[in-house]
Amino acid sequence: AQKVTQAQTEISVVEKEDVTLDCVYETRDTTYYLFWYKQPPSGELVFLIRRNSFDEQNEISGRYSWNFQKSTSSFNFTITASQVVDSAVYFCALTPRGLTGGGNKLTFGTGTQLKVEL
Amino acid sequence: EPEVTQTPSHQVTQMGQEVILRCVPISNHLYFYWYRQILGQKVEFLVSFYNNEISEKSEIFDDQFSVERPDGSNFTLKIRSTKLEDSAMYFCADRTGPFYGYTFGSGTRLTVV
Repeated sequence: AQKVTQAQTEISVVEKEDVTLDCVYETRDTTYYLFWYKQPPSGELVFLIRRNSFDEQNEISGRYSWNFQKSTSSFNFTITASQVVDSAVYFCALTPRGLTGGGNKLTFGTGTQLKVEL
Repeated sequence: EPEVTQTPSHQVTQMGQEVILRCVPISNHLYFYWYRQILGQKVEFLVSFYNNEISEKSEIFDDQFSVERPDGSNFTLKIRSTKLEDSAMYFCADRTGPFYGYTFGSGTRLTVV
């Protein structure tokens, strides 16, 4: 069974602050993918990143960075110099990698509501 | 960039009615999914579909629900005898294969009154 925990229900920051969203996962699969999605108020799911469990290198994309630590089963997401447009719900998700005999469903965390204020 | 298209974007239905939510996946993608998100809650897996059959379904996906790929392009979710608690955003998703990412549609907001 897979499980994704996002313990932070809601975070409020002032614009230009850095903010880290936590994600902890559980899986029995030896290989898997981790994802982050952004859900703005309009409701769609916006893909941010996919990380292969083989690859523990941290990744940076503009103001976004991700810290994957297999030893602690965590995949945290940091936004540097936050902006009002970053206000959204952010979901971490997990799926097995490769053929599993099932449908390779995505298991989502409960999400973190980020509010960035002026 | 190819998109997954969902229609309608918003549907209101009377309790007890049947609804069909429609999705047009990307043409060369092989795995199809429906997810549900009750307002303010997390995104939950409903069903996955591959090779013209269900490959996995959640405990939510009971006899009230069915999926179909009637013409090789559309992928539909039918909800029979809708209940108030079926009100949610329904997302269709697809992927090329198990080593690839997912593409989500923009969702259908279903409101049962």
